[in-house]
Amino acid sequence: QSALTQPASVSGSPGQSITISCTGTSSDVGGYNYVSWYQQHPGKAPKLMIYDVSKRPSGVSNRFSASKSGNTASLTISGLRAEDEADYYCNSYTSSSTWVFGGGTKVTVL
Amino acid sequence: QVQLVESGGGVVQPGGSLRLSCAASGFTFSSYGMHWVRQAPGKGLEWVAFIRYDGSNEYYADSVKGRFTISRDNSKNTLYLQMNSLRAEDTAVYYCAKVMGLSFDYWGQGTLVTVSS
Repeated sequence: QSALTQPASVSGSPGQSITISCTGTSSDVGGYNYVSWYQQHPGKAPKLMIYDVSKRPSGVSNRFSASKSGNTASLTISGLRAEDEADYYCNSYTSSSTWVFGGGTKVTVL
Repeated sequence: QVQLVESGGGVVQPGGSLRLSCAASGFTFSSYGMHWVRQAPGKGLEWVAFIRYDGSNEYYADSVKGRFTISRDNSKNTLYLQMNSLRAEDTAVYYCAKVMGLSFDYWGQGTLVTVSS
């Protein structure tokens, strides 16, 4: 159950777009359309931002979008805002009937 | 509105036991699977365990298998995590989370477990 691979940090200026990658294997990310993304502000509980690879829950801004190609999933934040500064985690269901998170990416708004 | 409230955290010695609870409200608890997820201080999220809506199946991360047991009481709208043989590396904030499909749509505020002598 190795963690999915995410970049430790990504930064961008307000209004720009950034993309966070999440790389797994054919036993998790590549094998299922069950990748989700979570936003976590310091001291707070995680918040679901994307589920089933690219679906947005009600109430999540359409500035957040996501996709998957092979064993790599990606989260894009467009029109970057100060409030987007947070940690972001990807997650995938696995062939072992378990779930695995990525190591997390710290997004900094310059 | 959906509410998940964890309790039971605290300081425990290595080798000790602790039982966490997660009180659920605002949804039909007996219709949804539930997870436990933990986060060590300054570290990332780690999935711990999952239980089906009716308690018929449980799944665990390798790191806790054989030591932790997830259970639920649908009559009390409560999820549990029994943690035995605790180690220093189990020190973390433990969150319960509600299932939506194969994702986690609502999370509690977390309860801190510290394993230390």
